[in-house]
Amino acid sequence: DAGVTQSPTHLIKTRGQQVTLRCSPKSGHDTVSWYQQALGQGPQFIFQYYEEEERQRGNFPDRFSGHQFPNYSSELNVNALLLGDSALYLCASSLGGGRWYEQYFGPGTRLTVT
Amino acid sequence: TQLLEQSPQFLSIQEGENLTVYCNSSSVFSSLQWYRQEPGEGPVLLVTVVTGGEVKKLKRLTFQFGDARKDSSLHITAAQPGDTGLYLCAGAYYGGATNKLIFGTGTLLAVQP
Repeated sequence: DAGVTQSPTHLIKTRGQQVTLRCSPKSGHDTVSWYQQALGQGPQFIFQYYEEEERQRGNFPDRFSGHQFPNYSSELNVNALLLGDSALYLCASSLGGGRWYEQYFGPGTRLTVT
Repeated sequence: TQLLEQSPQFLSIQEGENLTVYCNSSSVFSSLQWYRQEPGEGPVLLVTVVTGGEVKKLKRLTFQFGDARKDSSLHITAAQPGDTGLYLCAGAYYGGATNKLIFGTGTLLAVQP
């Protein structure tokens, strides 16, 4: 049973560039959430996708956007990168419905903005 | 704004000692979870508590949800080096169209052999 997978593992970008991160959910899951985790901090919720639509959003600017595909995989896009965007980006999948909060996390993508 | 404060922030103990980590909020949560995260990996779900006053045990780990569903604790008995990691609590809040999972500030535990 494949768990949540993310790609790439590490990424280095320059200020002002754009980046796309990818996530494949755990088998059987249909909901994908994205989180940003700064070093030594707890993850902060960016947004959640279900049925190919953004259902919930945290306090992140419009530079952060996403997409969910019919196979439930998802992408996180960040435009006009800032130094402060350097973080571990986590994807979590769950089964929509009553127990949406039981999320399984991927290993994350470490983004460094220079 | 729902906030979850964890204490202590850092904890370094010897193998065999007991410890308790606290997770506190002024908000009521529908459920609360505890995760452990190791370096370079995503958080791994340990437990979900739903009912106020609920106690769950996972081997040497005991989790308790406060009666008012605003706070929680994690107690580890006879800690082992394999328990080392970042412990995160997360409160789930859902109200109709609004579902949120709010993470705590984290407790970094180091168990020395």
